[in-house]
Amino acid sequence: EVQLVQSGAVVKKPGESLKISCKGSGYSFSNYWIGWVRQMPGKGLEWMGIIYPDDSDTKYSPSFQGQVTISADKSINTAYLQWSSLRASDTATYFCTRRDASIAIPERAFDFWGQGTMVTVSS
Amino acid sequence: DYVMTQSPLSLVVTLGQPASISCRAGQTLLYTDGNTHLHWFHQRPGQPPRRLIYKVSNRDSGVPDRFSGSGSGAEFTLKISRVEAEDVGIYYCMQGKNWPWTFGQGTRLEIK
Repeated sequence: EVQLVQSGAVVKKPGESLKISCKGSGYSFSNYWIGWVRQMPGKGLEWMGIIYPDDSDTKYSPSFQGQVTISADKSINTAYLQWSSLRASDTATYFCTRRDASIAIPERAFDFWGQGTMVTVSS
Repeated sequence: DYVMTQSPLSLVVTLGQPASISCRAGQTLLYTDGNTHLHWFHQRPGQPPRRLIYKVSNRDSGVPDRFSGSGSGAEFTLKISRVEAEDVGIYYCMQGKNWPWTFGQGTRLEIK
């Protein structure tokens, strides 16, 4: 059974660092892109960035370039999203999802999602 | 970036009545692989998005056949033939052709 399991909700203060995780199981983790999606309270879905765990090829959406770092450890089937200095505006729920390495297999794109990690940044 | 524009942004529908959501892309979503990379998602409060339809018109496993997707190029439609109570939530279209992938703004469906 394919699963993406994310780390739990966190409350942080502005300026603190944070790393959240997304662990895949039930499929070949290294051979699917993992993407991170932000959803601010009451708002829509925004793509942040993607990583291909096999070689750590990473792409960022322009809005998030330089604001976050995406990484992966294929040995433990886990992808990460991290901040070096959080802001109140980073308060949101973050989802991970997967896409097959090949764009030519859209049936294996965004078919499984993590449960979401709620991040609250408040002084 | 491929801008995705949905309409309407809000729908109030009587149980058993049809509903329709439009999605327009800034450019064609037809890729060189012959696929059109347009997907539809449904999200309930507190839940992750769930993919309903991929590649314009292919329903995911477990999705009722009252849901259908159509369109081509840059114009797409999601239709619900007879709305049921469980259909409430927000519907998003999304293009997966070019990075950065992009979602539409979302359409909130409520029951009258």
